[in-house]
Amino acid sequence: EVQLVQSGAEVKKPGESLKISCKGSGFTFTNYWIAWVRQMSGEGLEWMGIIFPGDSGTRYSPSFQGQVTISADKSISTAYLQWSSLRASDTAMYYCARSTTSGPPWFDPWGQGTLVTVSS
Amino acid sequence: QSVLTQPPSASGTPGQRVTISCSGSSSNIESNYVYWYQQLPGTAPKLLIYRNNQRPSGVPDRFSGSKSGTSASLAISGLRSEDEADYYCATWDDSLSALFGGGTKLTVL
Repeated sequence: EVQLVQSGAEVKKPGESLKISCKGSGFTFTNYWIAWVRQMSGEGLEWMGIIFPGDSGTRYSPSFQGQVTISADKSISTAYLQWSSLRASDTAMYYCARSTTSGPPWFDPWGQGTLVTVSS
Repeated sequence: QSVLTQPPSASGTPGQRVTISCSGSSSNIESNYVYWYQQLPGTAPKLLIYRNNQRPSGVPDRFSGSKSGTSASLAISGLRSEDEADYYCATWDDSLSALFGGGTKLTVL
């Protein structure tokens, strides 16, 4: 079964760093792109960026460029999303999703989501 | 405010046919494929339609997609209670970014 399993919920304080993960199984991880999508509470979906674990090629949304870092460790079929200094406005659900391309949002399947809460 | 415009809500009774629109521009919908996602309450989104009108394996043929110019539509026929969910359109923009619509909350009355 093709699936993406994300790390658990996190509660952090403003200014702290964080790295969440997304582990793929049931497919050749290095043959696909992995995207990250943000969903703030009660809001819609926002594409943050995407990585090709085969060569770590990365593309970011202009809205998120410089705000987060997307990386991957192909040896353990895992992609990451990280922040160096969290803000309260980073509070949201974050999803990873598999894609066959770096462009069009053809995302299937999705991970179950990681809820990040940033509060003092 | 999303670049892709969807109605915030839609509704229908069981058995009815409902459509959800998604309006964009020449730099996104008109020149790229459109995708549709279904997000059931408390769950991750699920791919419903790809490349304008293609259904992934397992998606009932009650769901169909279409595109014309700068707009796209998702149609759901034979509406069922389990179709109550949020629906999002998505596409690529020539500014090199993927875009999602603001989402439409479908209520089955």
